[in-house]
Amino acid sequence: TQLLEQSPQFLSIQEGENLTVYCNSSSVFSSLQWYRQEPGEGPVLLVTVVTGGEVKKLKRLTFQFGDARKDSSLHITAAQPGDTGLYLCAGSYAPSTNAGGTSYGKLTFGQGTILTVHP
Amino acid sequence: DADVTQTPRNRITKTGKRIMLECSQTKGHDRMYWYRQDPGLGLRLIYYSFDVKDINKGEISDGYSVSRQAQAKFSLSLESAIPNQTALYFCATRDGNTEAFFGQGTRLTVV
Repeated sequence: TQLLEQSPQFLSIQEGENLTVYCNSSSVFSSLQWYRQEPGEGPVLLVTVVTGGEVKKLKRLTFQFGDARKDSSLHITAAQPGDTGLYLCAGSYAPSTNAGGTSYGKLTFGQGTILTVHP
Repeated sequence: DADVTQTPRNRITKTGKRIMLECSQTKGHDRMYWYRQDPGLGLRLIYYSFDVKDINKGEISDGYSVSRQAQAKFSLSLESAIPNQTALYFCATRDGNTEAFFGQGTRLTVV
């Protein structure tokens, strides 16, 4: 069974603190994505990482892909109340075979991390 | 207009009723997905489709069925709704392994 474990599930911090969210699997990803979801909306993509060891930065957010492409982390520096939301990691696994032949692209999500940043 | 449109946005139905949730997209993507989200949780994959002839079960397909009527349309059916299918349902599309685009969700309540 392909499973993405995301931790912590809940995170409540004060403005200005740093935090890290983790996403782990026993399987190898062909790519991993991080999404953010606001209440009443669908998830919106933050970043995609595809190469083992890759690090991407998006303002105060730093995303890292593990060397073995089995895990990833999201680090937020100096969190702000506007960062509050649900953060989701999502993995695309190696090509899977179905009745129609070989296909890519099953997209599986972790359980999510609910982040609350207090002023 | 939204790239991914889900209808209805909200629905209350009775136990045992058949219900269909519809999704259409204007992005021209080949891949479409149906997910379920329970309060405070991530998205669980119900079904996914890579084209009109390629439909695959996700992790929680029991009690659900789908139809890919065209490249742009992917519908989800609950043949006999039960209360534990009360949830927020999302449709998503993507082109290959790139960014997934989501609809705004359908809030389904089964009473």
